[in-house]
Amino acid sequence: EAGVTQFPSHSVIEKGQTVTLRCDPISGHDNLYWYRRVMGKEIKFLLHFVKESKQDESGMPNNRFLAERTGGTYSTLKVQPAELEDSGVYFCASSPDRAVNGYTFGSGTRLTVV
Amino acid sequence: RKEVEQDPGPFNVPEGATVAFNCTYSNSASQSFFWYRQDCRKEPKLLMSVYSSGNEDGRFTAQLNRASQYISLLIRDSKLSDSATYLCVVKGLTGGGNKLTFGTGTQLKVEL
Repeated sequence: EAGVTQFPSHSVIEKGQTVTLRCDPISGHDNLYWYRRVMGKEIKFLLHFVKESKQDESGMPNNRFLAERTGGTYSTLKVQPAELEDSGVYFCASSPDRAVNGYTFGSGTRLTVV
Repeated sequence: RKEVEQDPGPFNVPEGATVAFNCTYSNSASQSFFWYRQDCRKEPKLLMSVYSSGNEDGRFTAQLNRASQYISLLIRDSKLSDSATYLCVVKGLTGGGNKLTFGTGTQLKVEL
Protein backbone atom coordinates (compact mmCIF):
# COMPACT_ATOMS: atom_id res chain seq x y z
CA GLU A 1 0.00 0.00 0.00
CA ALA A 2 1.43 3.38 -1.01
CA GLY A 3 1.83 5.81 1.85
CA VAL A 4 1.03 9.49 2.04
CA THR A 5 2.97 11.29 -0.67
CA GLN A 6 3.97 14.93 -0.58
CA PHE A 7 5.48 17.09 -3.29
CA PRO A 8 7.83 18.84 -3.46
CA SER A 9 10.11 17.57 -0.73
CA HIS A 10 11.90 20.91 -0.59
CA SER A 11 11.06 24.39 -1.82
CA VAL A 12 13.03 27.59 -1.56
CA ILE A 13 11.18 30.73 -2.61
CA GLU A 14 11.56 34.45 -2.18
CA LYS A 15 9.36 36.48 0.08
CA GLY A 16 6.27 37.56 -1.82
CA GLN A 17 6.22 34.59 -4.16
CA THR A 18 3.59 31.88 -4.30
CA VAL A 19 4.14 28.23 -3.48
CA THR A 20 1.76 25.30 -3.81
CA LEU A 21 2.28 22.12 -1.83
CA ARG A 22 0.60 18.90 -2.80
CA CYS A 23 -0.46 15.88 -0.77
CA ASP A 24 -1.71 12.53 -2.04
CA PRO A 25 -3.30 10.60 0.83
CA ILE A 26 -3.47 6.85 1.17
CA SER A 27 -6.09 5.59 -1.27
CA GLY A 28 -9.51 5.34 0.34
CA HIS A 29 -8.71 7.63 3.26
CA ASP A 30 -11.47 10.20 3.55
CA ASN A 31 -9.66 12.24 6.20
CA LEU A 32 -6.76 14.45 5.20
CA TYR A 33 -4.87 16.77 7.52
CA TRP A 34 -2.25 19.47 7.14
CA TYR A 35 0.21 20.22 9.93
CA ARG A 36 3.36 22.28 10.05
CA ARG A 37 6.42 22.67 12.21
CA VAL A 38 8.21 25.96 12.29
CA MET A 39 11.75 26.17 13.66
CA GLY A 40 11.94 25.50 17.38
CA LYS A 41 8.23 24.96 17.81
CA GLU A 42 5.95 21.96 18.10
CA ILE A 43 4.06 20.47 15.17
CA LYS A 44 0.78 22.35 14.85
CA PHE A 45 -2.52 21.53 13.22
CA LEU A 46 -3.57 23.59 10.22
CA LEU A 47 -6.74 22.00 8.89
CA HIS A 48 -8.76 18.84 8.34
CA PHE A 49 -10.65 17.68 5.27
CA VAL A 50 -13.31 15.01 5.20
CA LYS A 51 -13.47 14.08 1.54
CA GLU A 52 -13.67 17.44 -0.22
CA SER A 53 -15.13 19.40 2.71
CA LYS A 54 -13.18 21.41 5.25
CA GLN A 55 -14.10 19.93 8.62
CA ASP A 56 -11.87 22.15 10.74
CA GLU A 57 -9.64 24.96 9.53
CA SER A 58 -9.05 26.55 12.92
CA GLY A 59 -5.28 26.21 12.62
CA MET A 60 -4.84 28.14 9.39
CA PRO A 61 -2.64 31.09 10.36
CA ASN A 62 -4.12 33.73 8.03
CA ASN A 63 -5.77 34.29 4.67
CA ARG A 64 -2.49 33.90 2.81
CA PHE A 65 -3.01 30.16 3.17
CA LEU A 66 -5.53 28.38 0.97
CA ALA A 67 -6.16 24.65 1.06
CA GLU A 68 -8.23 22.70 -1.41
CA ARG A 69 -9.20 19.11 -1.96
CA THR A 70 -11.16 18.99 -5.16
CA GLY A 71 -12.86 15.65 -5.74
CA GLY A 72 -11.85 14.42 -2.33
CA THR A 73 -8.59 12.91 -3.48
CA TYR A 74 -5.33 14.86 -3.37
CA SER A 75 -5.02 18.20 -1.61
CA THR A 76 -3.07 21.37 -2.27
CA LEU A 77 -1.94 24.03 0.17
CA LYS A 78 -1.11 27.36 -1.42
CA VAL A 79 0.76 30.14 0.32
CA GLN A 80 0.35 33.49 -1.39
CA PRO A 81 2.26 35.72 -0.86
CA ALA A 82 4.83 33.85 1.20
CA GLU A 83 6.43 35.54 4.22
CA LEU A 84 9.63 34.68 6.06
CA GLU A 85 7.70 33.27 9.04
CA ASP A 86 6.05 30.70 6.77
CA SER A 87 9.32 28.75 6.63
CA GLY A 88 9.05 25.32 8.16
CA VAL A 89 8.11 21.75 7.42
CA TYR A 90 4.58 21.11 6.19
CA PHE A 91 3.25 17.64 6.89
CA CYS A 92 0.20 16.00 5.44
CA ALA A 93 -1.50 13.04 7.07
CA SER A 94 -4.46 10.84 6.25
CA SER A 95 -6.69 8.41 8.05
CA PRO A 96 -9.70 6.25 7.27
CA ASP A 97 -13.12 7.11 8.62
CA ARG A 98 -13.57 6.54 12.36
CA ALA A 99 -9.86 6.17 12.89
CA VAL A 100 -9.20 5.26 16.49
CA ASN A 101 -5.45 5.47 16.26
CA GLY A 102 -3.01 8.05 15.04
CA TYR A 103 -2.56 8.98 11.45
CA THR A 104 -0.05 8.18 8.75
CA PHE A 105 2.10 11.16 7.91
CA GLY A 106 3.82 12.01 4.68
CA SER A 107 7.51 12.82 4.68
CA GLY A 108 6.77 16.55 4.56
CA THR A 109 7.67 19.55 2.43
CA ARG A 110 10.48 21.68 3.77
CA LEU A 111 9.64 25.27 2.82
CA THR A 112 12.23 27.99 3.07
CA VAL A 113 11.23 31.58 2.38
CA VAL A 114 14.19 33.90 1.84
CA ARG B 1 0.66 27.16 29.33
CA LYS B 2 1.10 24.74 26.44
CA GLU B 3 -1.63 22.19 25.80
CA VAL B 4 0.90 19.35 25.84
CA GLU B 5 4.11 19.75 27.82
CA GLN B 6 7.26 17.66 27.57
CA ASP B 7 10.82 17.99 28.81
CA PRO B 8 12.76 18.74 25.61
CA GLY B 9 15.90 16.94 26.81
CA PRO B 10 18.23 15.85 25.39
CA PHE B 11 18.44 12.65 27.36
CA ASN B 12 21.87 11.12 26.79
CA VAL B 13 21.92 7.52 27.98
CA PRO B 14 24.28 4.57 27.52
CA GLU B 15 23.20 1.60 25.48
CA GLY B 16 21.24 -0.82 27.62
CA ALA B 17 19.90 1.82 29.99
CA THR B 18 16.27 2.32 30.92
CA VAL B 19 14.87 5.77 30.21
CA ALA B 20 11.51 7.32 31.03
CA PHE B 21 9.77 10.24 29.38
CA ASN B 22 6.88 12.16 30.85
CA CYS B 23 4.21 14.37 29.40
CA THR B 24 1.30 16.36 30.80
CA TYR B 25 -1.75 17.67 28.99
CA SER B 26 -4.01 20.51 29.98
CA ASN B 27 -7.45 19.52 28.72
CA SER B 28 -9.21 16.85 30.73
CA ALA B 29 -11.62 16.25 27.84
CA SER B 30 -8.85 14.83 25.65
CA GLN B 31 -9.86 11.51 24.13
CA SER B 32 -6.87 9.59 22.86
CA PHE B 33 -3.17 9.60 23.56
CA PHE B 34 -0.13 8.52 21.60
CA TRP B 35 3.62 8.46 21.49
CA TYR B 36 5.15 9.22 18.12
CA ARG B 37 8.77 8.89 17.15
CA GLN B 38 10.45 11.36 14.82
CA ASP B 39 13.88 10.80 13.37
CA CYS B 40 15.95 13.77 12.23
CA ARG B 41 14.38 15.43 9.15
CA LYS B 42 11.74 12.71 8.87
CA GLU B 43 8.02 12.54 9.45
CA PRO B 44 6.51 11.53 12.80
CA LYS B 45 5.66 7.85 13.02
CA LEU B 46 3.25 6.28 15.46
CA LEU B 47 5.12 4.37 18.14
CA MET B 48 2.18 3.31 20.28
CA SER B 49 -1.18 4.32 21.60
CA VAL B 50 -1.52 4.92 25.33
CA TYR B 51 -4.25 3.51 27.54
CA SER B 52 -5.16 3.87 31.20
CA SER B 53 -4.57 0.19 31.71
CA GLY B 54 -1.05 0.58 30.41
CA ASN B 55 0.30 -1.12 27.35
CA GLU B 56 3.53 -2.73 26.40
CA ASP B 57 5.18 -3.36 23.05
CA GLY B 58 8.47 -5.17 23.42
CA ARG B 59 10.88 -2.86 25.21
CA PHE B 60 8.39 0.01 25.26
CA THR B 61 5.75 0.59 27.94
CA ALA B 62 3.26 3.44 27.91
CA GLN B 63 0.97 4.56 30.70
CA LEU B 64 -1.83 7.08 31.02
CA ASN B 65 -3.04 8.63 34.27
CA ARG B 66 -6.23 10.52 33.45
CA ALA B 67 -6.66 11.88 36.97
CA SER B 68 -3.25 13.54 36.84
CA GLN B 69 -3.41 14.20 33.08
CA TYR B 70 -0.04 12.56 32.77
CA ILE B 71 1.40 10.24 30.13
CA SER B 72 4.62 8.27 30.34
CA LEU B 73 6.85 6.20 28.09
CA LEU B 74 9.43 3.77 29.40
CA ILE B 75 12.13 2.34 27.16
CA ARG B 76 14.08 -0.62 28.53
CA ASP B 77 17.42 -1.90 27.26
CA SER B 78 17.99 1.14 25.06
CA LYS B 79 19.48 0.57 21.62
CA LEU B 80 21.47 2.97 19.48
CA SER B 81 18.58 2.85 17.02
CA ASP B 82 16.24 4.30 19.66
CA SER B 83 17.94 7.68 19.26
CA ALA B 84 15.21 10.01 18.03
CA THR B 85 12.74 12.62 19.23
CA TYR B 86 9.73 11.22 21.07
CA LEU B 87 6.55 13.20 20.66
CA CYS B 88 3.69 13.10 23.12
CA VAL B 89 0.45 13.53 21.19
CA VAL B 90 -3.10 14.09 22.37
CA LYS B 91 -6.18 13.77 20.21
CA GLY B 92 -9.50 15.52 20.46
CA LEU B 93 -8.84 18.72 22.37
CA THR B 94 -11.10 20.83 20.16
CA GLY B 95 -13.45 20.79 17.23
CA GLY B 96 -14.61 17.47 15.89
CA GLY B 97 -12.18 15.53 17.97
CA ASN B 98 -9.84 14.48 15.20
CA LYS B 99 -7.16 17.08 15.74
CA LEU B 100 -3.78 15.94 17.03
CA THR B 101 -1.98 18.24 19.46
CA PHE B 102 1.75 17.66 19.75
CA GLY B 103 4.24 18.32 22.48
CA THR B 104 7.56 19.79 21.46
CA GLY B 105 9.20 16.39 21.79
CA THR B 106 11.89 14.88 23.97
CA GLN B 107 15.19 14.15 22.31
CA LEU B 108 16.87 10.85 23.16
CA LYS B 109 20.49 10.05 22.35
CA VAL B 110 21.65 6.52 23.08
CA GLU B 111 25.42 6.24 23.19
CA LEU B 112 27.92 3.38 23.22
